[in-house]
Amino acid sequence: SQQGEEDPQALSIQEGENATMNCSYKTSINNLQWYRQNSGRGLVHLILIRSNEREKHSGRLRVTLDTSKKSSSLLITASRAADTASYFCATVGETGFQKLVFGTGTRLLVSP
Amino acid sequence: KAGVTQTPRYLIKTRGQQVTLSCSPISGHRSVSWYQQTPGQGLQFLFEYFSETQRNKGNFPGRFSGRQFSNSRSEMNVSTLELGDSALYLCASSLRGQPNTEAFFGQGTRLTVV
Repeated sequence: SQQGEEDPQALSIQEGENATMNCSYKTSINNLQWYRQNSGRGLVHLILIRSNEREKHSGRLRVTLDTSKKSSSLLITASRAADTASYFCATVGETGFQKLVFGTGTRLLVSP
Repeated sequence: KAGVTQTPRYLIKTRGQQVTLSCSPISGHRSVSWYQQTPGQGLQFLFEYFSETQRNKGNFPGRFSGRQFSNSRSEMNVSTLELGDSALYLCASSLRGQPNTEAFFGQGTRLTVV
């Protein structure tokens, strides 16, 4: 079964608006990563935040991590139609290695 | 630099058959992981290989197996296919397979079992 739950399951916004997605997980982690997937294709890595970090930025992306609440959020500012995709959070446990445990995903639709 | 290449892209098989999927990682990457994506179960970890050794395995039956060659290319095999094995199979590679490293995914192999 999956580690995390993402909220909302689907999000529909207009271009220029901000999009916020939330992820909750169950066990202690080494890091948490966010990925984007376009229409059933491969996953694209967006950002990695380590367990000792609280916030990270990359371009229009802002990720926060609250390990006490076992939750993370992804904010996409000034959304574009090209941001339309599914977004997944994935955790790596403390034991390490490359084993990603994915959340359920949020489908984002950005309308022009 | 070429990305992760998965072949074939699409595959249709009959129940009971077996199938082999291939993954060529980014040049220099030594860790290859496999994931299964279905509408019902989402993205699930199958196994991870590093330097030809399986380091980690997900909760899948023994019908699912894999291997990695000395050039880091990896194959996964599914024997005695079931309808429920229909899925998008994704391969990911990383440089050393360490936890705080980015994984690069291929476009996937879409397997349909009829």
